[in-house]
Amino acid sequence: GAGVSQTPSNKVTEKGKYVELRCDPISGHTALYWYRQSLGQGPEFLIYFQGTGAADDSGLPNDRFFAVRPEGSVSTLKIQRTERGDSAVYLCASSLSGPGQGNSPLHFGNGTRLTVT
Amino acid sequence: KNQVEQSPQSLIILEGKNCTLQCNYTVSPFSNLRWYKQDTGRGPVSLTIMTFSENTKSNGRYTATLDADTKQSSLHITASQLSDSASYICVVSRMDSNYQLIWGAGTKLIIKP
Repeated sequence: GAGVSQTPSNKVTEKGKYVELRCDPISGHTALYWYRQSLGQGPEFLIYFQGTGAADDSGLPNDRFFAVRPEGSVSTLKIQRTERGDSAVYLCASSLSGPGQGNSPLHFGNGTRLTVT
Repeated sequence: KNQVEQSPQSLIILEGKNCTLQCNYTVSPFSNLRWYKQDTGRGPVSLTIMTFSENTKSNGRYTATLDADTKQSSLHITASQLSDSASYICVVSRMDSNYQLIWGAGTKLIIKP
């Protein structure tokens, strides 16, 4: 596709439920990032993939959060036992090359707005 | 402490006018500085990326400047249009992590007809 695609655009779930958020990066982009953005704040780094592997998952807040990218393209962010504090916009971004390989711009999707009731 | 501060917090100008947004940072070691535009409900869109050696970079009606000595950057918008209404975010990356970006809080720009 022309840009980074995220689905669903909105997700409302009850506290304690499990959710999956999907990201389709730009074709050919090897690097993929997940961020979380709360209202009025800048995006907060969660995890970075280079190819299929999670090169840095230090931003994941706790073990309820997990992300995969099994074939090096589509990625899924998984949240178990959701809490109201997980409510935010979850942004996915991709870039042509990873860190240290030039200053490739990050191309962001429009995010998934997660609301935990 | 690695920080990015932007001013003003918000700005309202008339269509057709110019404006300049400011960004000060204390990030070290510095890798690059990026300006993003974020429309409400959308993901950020990259406007410019500047490394240490670049003083100015343009993208259409957007011109970014960087003074690495004073650790200041500005984004100048010329002949503003209604579609320029958005949040403009200054983002700095560290040499040791080009993706754990340090984000400013943004300037909310409103263009009035």
